[in-house]
Amino acid sequence: IQMTQSPSSLSASLGDSVTITCRASETVDSYLNWYQQKPGKAPKLLIYLASTLQTGVPSRFSGSGSGTEFTLTISSLQPEDYGTYYCQQSFTTPFFFGPGTKVDIK
Amino acid sequence: EVQLLESGGGLVQPGGSLRLSCEASGFSFSTHHMNWVRQAPGKGLEWVAAISDTGAGTYYADSVWGRFTISRDNSKNTLFLQMNSLRAEDTALYYCVKEVIVQQKFDHWGQGILVTVSS
Repeated sequence: IQMTQSPSSLSASLGDSVTITCRASETVDSYLNWYQQKPGKAPKLLIYLASTLQTGVPSRFSGSGSGTEFTLTISSLQPEDYGTYYCQQSFTTPFFFGPGTKVDIK
Repeated sequence: EVQLLESGGGLVQPGGSLRLSCEASGFSFSTHHMNWVRQAPGKGLEWVAAISDTGAGTYYADSVWGRFTISRDNSKNTLFLQMNSLRAEDTALYYCVKEVIVQQKFDHWGQGILVTVSS
């Protein structure tokens, strides 16, 4: 199951709403995870099962979708939200990741 | 506190071998599936291999199938990745990752260990 993401990068202002899209080549049901990675750091789990917020993750992050199309939304962009965001399907091995979306703060 | 500490990385020549270890603490290691994920310099994340809680099931990416072997020692809370026939394209930071079985989520990651394949 191949994963694609769009856009590959974006630049947004503080307070903006940002949406990243992830598509799977075939259905992954709701087994879709989102991770944030900052430079030089390990990835951090944000959302699992497409829409469930991981403990400790701010509520401005939300996920939606099922089947083959998913979105990650940051409702009000904060300075600490820079980094690269990856989707990952965990429906079946190989657990492919998307190519990533780099988010910059204007 | 969950901790995953990778070791065993370094510089190796093409065709060589290396064994990575990941010492786990802060959770019930024997009841969790575990994974290795790698990241080549400046590139995205690539899932490499997974192993079930008992070690009975192992799964691999096509890119490493037949060359890498994932294993675990639940008595020592340790995960391993034996890497043989290494290639330049295996150069990457290798992460040890804890998986939560029911939700199929990768909830804790190690800090990563660098493997460099070069002559």
